[in-house]
Amino acid sequence: KNQVEQSPQSLIILEGKNCTLQCNYTVSPFSNLRWYKQDTGRGPVSLTIMTFSENTKSNGRYTATLDADTKQSSLHITASQLSDSASYICVVRKSGGGADGLTFGKGTHLIIQP
Amino acid sequence: DAGVIQSPRHEVTEMGQEVTLRCKPISGHDYLFWYRQTMMRGLELLIYFNNNVPIDDSGMPEDRFSAKMPNASFSTLKIQPSEPRDSAVYFCASSFRGRVNTEAFFGQGTRLTVV
Repeated sequence: KNQVEQSPQSLIILEGKNCTLQCNYTVSPFSNLRWYKQDTGRGPVSLTIMTFSENTKSNGRYTATLDADTKQSSLHITASQLSDSASYICVVRKSGGGADGLTFGKGTHLIIQP
Repeated sequence: DAGVIQSPRHEVTEMGQEVTLRCKPISGHDYLFWYRQTMMRGLELLIYFNNNVPIDDSGMPEDRFSAKMPNASFSTLKIQPSEPRDSAVYFCASSFRGRVNTEAFFGQGTRLTVV
């Protein structure tokens, strides 16, 4: 069964600190993996997408990594800001799955404290 | 573009009542998705359309749920009759050509509470 597991479920850190969110998946065959940020009361917004051949990709203070061999991805946030408080959702697309071939993780709820 | 627009933002209704959620996708997008989000199950795909035609509704939980897309700029998700377990946030998303790396853009969601 295609699954996406995220950890931790929730995380509280102080402003300015770094943190790393994890995503493990069993989706196969793999096409790509996307990290979304969802602010409270808003819809998810894409942060970055990782394809099979990409190991690391950065978007400002966000850096995503992908290890397709171990089927693991991480999202590292550097020098956290209060605006980083949100849920971060990992979504994996199955190759050949078409427009609906997505498996969603349940997200990590991140709280940045001043 | 204003993005994907959903209405209403919040809906509170009594059990047994009919509920209609509305969505206006981004102009030019040919795929439209309806998702439901709960704390327990996260985001779940309910149904999606391509060029206004329903392609896969296997995620629709029961016959009480129905969705239509009468034209390229409007879609509805209807629950009749509604039940307390339908309480969730419902998201509409749209994308262009639904290709492998195409990003789906989400609306702000409708928070439905059935009492």
